[in-house]
Amino acid sequence: DGGITQSPKYLFRKEGQNVTLSCEQNLNHDAMYWYRQDPGQGLRLIYYSQIVNDFQKGDIAEGYSVSREKKESFPLTVTSAQKNPTAFYLCASSIWAGGPGDTQYFGPGTRLTVL
Amino acid sequence: QKEVEQNSGPLSVPEGAIASLNCTYSDRGSQSFFWYRQYSGKSPELIMFIYSNGDKEDGRFTAQLNKASQYVSLLIRDSQPSDSATYLCAVRDNFGNEKLTFGTGTRLTIIP
Repeated sequence: DGGITQSPKYLFRKEGQNVTLSCEQNLNHDAMYWYRQDPGQGLRLIYYSQIVNDFQKGDIAEGYSVSREKKESFPLTVTSAQKNPTAFYLCASSIWAGGPGDTQYFGPGTRLTVL
Repeated sequence: QKEVEQNSGPLSVPEGAIASLNCTYSDRGSQSFFWYRQYSGKSPELIMFIYSNGDKEDGRFTAQLNKASQYVSLLIRDSQPSDSATYLCAVRDNFGNEKLTFGTGTRLTIIP
């Protein structure tokens, strides 16, 4: 069954803790992305990666870190430096063919709550 | 700063009618346009994309693009209660750049 998996589905964090959100895909997609969604808001790009061992900051990278050691995996760490981490986190992936229809497909998301 | 604007709604449409969702974008160089549907508490799922001026149809859905007016729309024919969701418009600035800029979404409610 091909797709994108994210874990956990729900995550609770105490202030001052770092947490890592998992994202795995078996679609053989080159590119992977992390977005954040706040209530009533659109998606905002945190980080993205086009190839293994390379990634770029998105629009709101402060307080987050990522790694891309394997094509299938793109974990996101929410650090204690992120001032307002409570949000819905979405991972996506796409092929990187440079064509107009290169489409991002989303995982089911992780809902992070800071207590 | 690239902007993608959508009316937040809620937009209420009777069952069986046509729902019309609109999106404007600020970057005239934008090349590809995507419509996603997001049910409450779920992740976005792709409905369709368009990159040429004019209409593109897929079942009950039609995307319309007018690059001169920087305007893209989504029409849903024969609206069903299961179409009730938030619809997100996303824009990509060129074919080699995979980054998408999302609007805040329009909440659509189909009234039985």
